Amino acid sequence: GENVEQHPSTLSVQEGDSAVIKCTYSDSASNYFPWYKQELGKRPQLIIDIRSNVGEKKDQRIAVTLNKTAKHFSLHITETQPEDSAVYFCAHQFYFGTGTSLTVIP
Amino acid sequence: ETGVTQTPRHLVMGMTNKKSLKCEQHLGHNAMYWYKQSAKKPLELMFVYSLEERVENNSVPSRFSPECPNSSHLFLHLHTLQPEDSALYLCASAPLGGNDYGYTFGSGTRLTVV
Repeated sequence: GENVEQHPSTLSVQEGDSAVIKCTYSDSASNYFPWYKQELGKRPQLIIDIRSNVGEKKDQRIAVTLNKTAKHFSLHITETQPEDSAVYFCAHQFYFGTGTSLTVIP
Repeated sequence: ETGVTQTPRHLVMGMTNKKSLKCEQHLGHNAMYWYKQSAKKPLELMFVYSLEERVENNSVPSRFSPECPNSSHLFLHLHTLQPEDSALYLCASAPLGGNDYGYTFGSGTRLTVV
């Protein structure tokens, strides 16, 4: 199956700073790249996605970028807030990355 | 509720028991999925159903048996489980099969095998 690698596994930032999480994939068959957020004790929820016909997509403070040549896509969170603290997962072709635990320090 | 409901929320079973997990979606989606979430492998694909047909079986042991009687319901039948099967089992649905749509997850069933 597909191999999705995600880095870093943990990330701590000061409130107001930016956070970047990166994923790499191996199989180019699918053109859909979603990101999910899972708060403690809750279900994963889709927060943003991108299709391979565009290189970047933004939704308020979050953005996703895609580099098809290098086979990686990244989640960018700007002006981080304590409520952004959660585990973030990338996904590609049914398979999920191992998750990034983001902590925003007030 | 997000539209994907899983029951029961918690389940404790012995290794010789037989139990079933249920998932129901009210979103009109045509694809449904089972994932296992544990500390070791955060979101591990188990089964994929598209239009009630199983399209993916990610090398899951036969002690896990899925069933999809219609596009709104998905079951995971469990028998002779092992303690290492203790985990959160998440069901998800998507508008269509394949890999082109985001998932809506249920709240999961927390399974403990004793």
